[in-house]
Amino acid sequence: EADIYQTPRYLVIGTGKKITLECSQTMGHDKMYWYQQDPGMELHLIHYSYGVNSTEKGDLSSESTVSRIRTEHFPLTLESARPSHTSQYLCASSGFGTGGFGDSPLHFGNGTRLTVT
Amino acid sequence: AQSVTQLGSHVSVSEGALVLLRCNYSSSVPPYLFWYVQYPNQGLQLLLKYTSAATLVKGINGFEAEFKKSETSFHLTKPSAHMSDAAEYFCAVSDLNQAGTALIFGKGTTLSVSS
Repeated sequence: EADIYQTPRYLVIGTGKKITLECSQTMGHDKMYWYQQDPGMELHLIHYSYGVNSTEKGDLSSESTVSRIRTEHFPLTLESARPSHTSQYLCASSGFGTGGFGDSPLHFGNGTRLTVT
Repeated sequence: AQSVTQLGSHVSVSEGALVLLRCNYSSSVPPYLFWYVQYPNQGLQLLLKYTSAATLVKGINGFEAEFKKSETSFHLTKPSAHMSDAAEYFCAVSDLNQAGTALIFGKGTTLSVSS
């Protein structure tokens, strides 16, 4: 039962196109994240948000941008897609845990698999 | 900087055999530790988490993990593997009190279960 939704699930697009990957959650979580996942590699954090109007870049350099205008919505945009952007993109959210900031688990969407030709 | 090392990118077991997936962490402060499972074409699901309450943590689907500070390890085990356990498993760590910190993940271990 998914409380965090990503669309589309699969996307094949040509080089140079602008795309937006959608992510919405119904749990009222303040924190949201975008991870990039490639086979055999760690999940790499590319963007995160503490709440509305808050966005930060993650550890992995990315040419994408994000916005957080509403608590439940955290879309990721690529202005000009390139083949190097081919990957799986996972959106996640979390609340604040009882023990502080670090103990709240992440809830993940099912991902968007992007192929840029 | 924190890091997580998962030993073995691929583990194969027979149905009914013990499952052992290894995870070692590197952290200068007591961490929070997590195990996630990912089934094909799905996102990650939380299996269990360690938050310093008890060193042996029980999770869903019969999995458990033991936090060993002296070995900086958080290995995942299940006494008897089931075919439905075949998936990819990720160990992750977060800092104890760092606001807004996202989880740091290992590279994952693919578990195969044969009949």
